[in-house]
Amino acid sequence: AQTVTQSQPEMSVQEAETVTLSCTYDTSESNYYLFWYKQPPSRQMILVIRQEAYKQQNATENRFSVNFQKAAKSFSLKISDSQLGDTAMYFCAFIKAAGNKLTFGGGTRVLVKP
Amino acid sequence: SAVISQKPSRDICQRGTSLTIQCQVDSQVTMMFWYRQQPGQSLTLIATANQGSEATYESGFVIDKFPISRPNLTFSTLTVSNMSPEDSSIYLCSVEPSGRDEQYFGPGTRLTVT
Repeated sequence: AQTVTQSQPEMSVQEAETVTLSCTYDTSESNYYLFWYKQPPSRQMILVIRQEAYKQQNATENRFSVNFQKAAKSFSLKISDSQLGDTAMYFCAFIKAAGNKLTFGGGTRVLVKP
Repeated sequence: SAVISQKPSRDICQRGTSLTIQCQVDSQVTMMFWYRQQPGQSLTLIATANQGSEATYESGFVIDKFPISRPNLTFSTLTVSNMSPEDSSIYLCSVEPSGRDEQYFGPGTRLTVT
């Protein structure tokens, strides 16, 4: 079974600065995908970024980028130039290739301060 | 991605009653999923609903408590039966567009059981 761990329950950052969220996972699968989802107070889960395990290049989406370390089973999210609208819960998630069960971490609450 | 709607968006119900939550997607999808998010917690998969077959339930969730229908490729319902206050949660549906190995979520239904 897969497990996903987010060790930071809460983080705060000043507007326009950078924050990095940690995620580690445990799996015996060799082919899988990792995701970061954002859940603002509206509770809508929004897919932020996706990483394929077979790709060495780290994924980026505008101000969001990941640091994927496959050997260490680590998958951190960096939010650059933080904006007030980035305030939300962030969940790291894992799915094995051709599987259908998303396994989520416990979440990290991010507060962007003006 | 996909546009997903859920009804109702929130409800307050009395214990012992049942509530049916609807999930509608704007395109045909093979895989639909139902998740539960208890207060302050992460998401847990309840079941996977494929059109034309019985839903597959995760450990700890049973059909008598959470019956699911999947009458076509754009619609599913989840019923929370014989509710107790412990069922107070956000219930989210998600879909996996074919071949993408990623899931998109509906806006969720906030259920409070008194």
